[in-house]
Amino acid sequence: AQSVTQPDIHITVSEGASLELRCNYSYGATPYLFWYVQSPGQGLQLLLKYFSGDTLVQGIKGFEAEFKRSQSSFNLRKPSVHWSDAAEYFCAVVGFSGGYNKLIFGAGTRLAVHP
Amino acid sequence: EPEVTQTPSHQVTQMGQEVILRCVPISNHLYFYWYRQILGQKVEFLVSFYNNEISEKSEIFDDQFSVERPDGSNFTLKIRSTKLEDSAMYFCASSESETLYGYTFGSGTRLTVV
Repeated sequence: AQSVTQPDIHITVSEGASLELRCNYSYGATPYLFWYVQSPGQGLQLLLKYFSGDTLVQGIKGFEAEFKRSQSSFNLRKPSVHWSDAAEYFCAVVGFSGGYNKLIFGAGTRLAVHP
Repeated sequence: EPEVTQTPSHQVTQMGQEVILRCVPISNHLYFYWYRQILGQKVEFLVSFYNNEISEKSEIFDDQFSVERPDGSNFTLKIRSTKLEDSAMYFCASSESETLYGYTFGSGTRLTVV
C-alpha cells in the first residue's frame, strides 16, 4: 500500500536561513506527489506537485521540491525562510485503488521560524 | 481562479444530532472527495465519489456517514448521529480527472461535537 513518511515532526529555523523538509514515499510505480501548507485553523494550500518530467519542481512562495526516485524522496526546499512561512507542511502521494484514486498524506512537519 | 466552496466554516452540534456539511466543487470537475483532519493529526481520506456513486471509501466511512450530490452542483457529507470523536476539520476536494489533475481543496468545515 502507498504511504508517506515525514520524519521530522517539528523543525525550527531562523528567518533568512535555508529550509529542507523531508518526505519519503512508498509506491511501486512513478508516484504523483504533492506538498501542501496549512496555517493554524486554515485550509490546505497547494505549494507544488510532481506528476512527471523535470524532477525539480518549482512552486509558489519560493518553494521547490526535488523528486529522487532512487531515494523515494520528494523533499521540499526554500533558500531563505520568511517568518510568514511558519505553518504545518504536508507531503502527499496519490494512492490508486481499483482504478480510482485518493491522496495519502504524511503526518506533517510543523515549521517554526525564529526572528 | 476557480474555488471549492465549503459551508459552514464552523459548525457546533450536540452529540447524537445529524449534521450535513456542504460543498460546491469546481463546475467542470467530475471527481469529488471528502477528507477529515482531527485536530493535530494528519489529513485522512474518507470517500471519493464519481458518476453519482461512491468509488472508494475508507474504514472511517462507516454507516453513520453518507454522501450525496443532490442537484448537480452541491456535494454533501451527512453524519447521521454525531459522536464526540467526529469533531474534526472536514475538507471537500474535487478534481477534473482520475489522475487528480486540477485537484483542489476547499477551506474546510470545522465540526465540533459537544
